[in-house]
Amino acid sequence: GAVVSQHPSWVICKSGTSVKIECRSLDFQATTMFWYRQFPKQSLMLMATSNEGSKATYEQGVEKDKFLINHASLTLSTLTVTSAHPEDSSFYICSAIDRGNYGYTFGSGTRLTVV
Amino acid sequence: GDSVTQMEGPVTLSEEAFLTINCTYTATGYPSLFWYVQYPGEGLQLLLKATKADDKGSNKGFEATYRKETTSFHLEKGSVQVSDSAVYFCARTGNQFYFGTGTSLTVIP
Repeated sequence: GAVVSQHPSWVICKSGTSVKIECRSLDFQATTMFWYRQFPKQSLMLMATSNEGSKATYEQGVEKDKFLINHASLTLSTLTVTSAHPEDSSFYICSAIDRGNYGYTFGSGTRLTVV
Repeated sequence: GDSVTQMEGPVTLSEEAFLTINCTYTATGYPSLFWYVQYPGEGLQLLLKATKADDKGSNKGFEATYRKETTSFHLEKGSVQVSDSAVYFCARTGNQFYFGTGTSLTVIP
């Protein structure tokens, strides 16, 4: 079945530093990937849609200069949280569409803690 | 607009009890409907799905039926186990993927 690998699974960083999260589709090509953020005890909120070879589409209220998304290949999208602050601490999850099976496959998520 | 409304939790049940988690959706078009499960510290896993009206998705003893007339996709399980303790999300397709707020389930022995 379709597998999406997300790395790292958890990261702790100092305030002001940048963190990169990778999302890879392992056995299918994903022209579109999605990045979500999940606050404690809340649902997933779509942050942006990542399109291979073009700029990401950000949802309203998401700072594109803070959350940099790069989708350079059909199997890899990256989310970079720039100049991270404690309020950026959250659970970030990516997903990709496996059009062959018409399904959204999710990565295992990244727990970011900014101290 | 497109949305999903999900029963609020938390829900606490004894082992072998019957589970129902309600989910309704707004009916614009004919979305596919999903239930995802998130175990502690993990990402989302697809539990089951239904792509058209009257379809029944099932997996691991869980079931949900796509009810167009009531715009619902309630999750049920006849006998829950401690290992079912997790957060359950109802979701639908649309312009984007829409999730409910999640329902935390705790099953006690």
